[in-house]
Amino acid sequence: AQSVTQPDIHITVSEGASLELRCNYSYGATPYLFWYVQSPGQGLQLLLKYFSGDTLVQGIKGFEAEFKRSQSSFNLRKPSVHWSDAAEYFCAVNPGQAGGTSYGKLTFGQGTILTVHP
Amino acid sequence: NAGVTQTPKFRVLKTGQSMTLLCAQDMNHEYMYWYRQDPGMGLRLIHYSVGEGTTAKGEVPDGYNVSRLKKQNFLLGLESAAPSQTSVYFCASSYSPPRNTEAFFGQGTRLTVV
Repeated sequence: AQSVTQPDIHITVSEGASLELRCNYSYGATPYLFWYVQSPGQGLQLLLKYFSGDTLVQGIKGFEAEFKRSQSSFNLRKPSVHWSDAAEYFCAVNPGQAGGTSYGKLTFGQGTILTVHP
Repeated sequence: NAGVTQTPKFRVLKTGQSMTLLCAQDMNHEYMYWYRQDPGMGLRLIHYSVGEGTTAKGEVPDGYNVSRLKKQNFLLGLESAAPSQTSVYFCASSYSPPRNTEAFFGQGTRLTVV
């Protein structure tokens, strides 16, 4: 079965520091990949997505992510974190047309809580 | 454009009570989903629907039932609520494959069962 792993449950950074959140997936084919952000008490907002093509994708709020097929990873990065980036971040996978019975369904990682120190 | 709307936003139930959560989308999406979110576990799929009149089980379907009588609505029912069903519930919708590469989420329903 496909799975999505976010190894870091909680990350703390200082404002202005760079950020990298890790995401690994286990699936034979290249799925569709997403990063969502959830602010406290809010729903999920899509930051960025990867379907195919250029392996470095740009998203909203200054975030980017890089797809590395050899590592089955899709890590999220931001060069300089702002206090407003404090939230929980979820990596998600949609297996796409090769997914069989999982076709069309999103599987989420466990989430990474980001705390930003002033 | 409202997108995906969930009602209610908050609810407290006593053990054994029943309730229905309503999800409505105005994007003419074929697929609709119900997820539950628990600390440290991400979002887990409860049930989903690939079209009007169809439903299917997800990863954690026990204790829940769903119905999709109209394309724009997807109802999640708890017949006899249990404390283990205390969670935040999210509805989502998307186009059918191969257009369903992105799901749109509602704001969530926070349910507490006491």
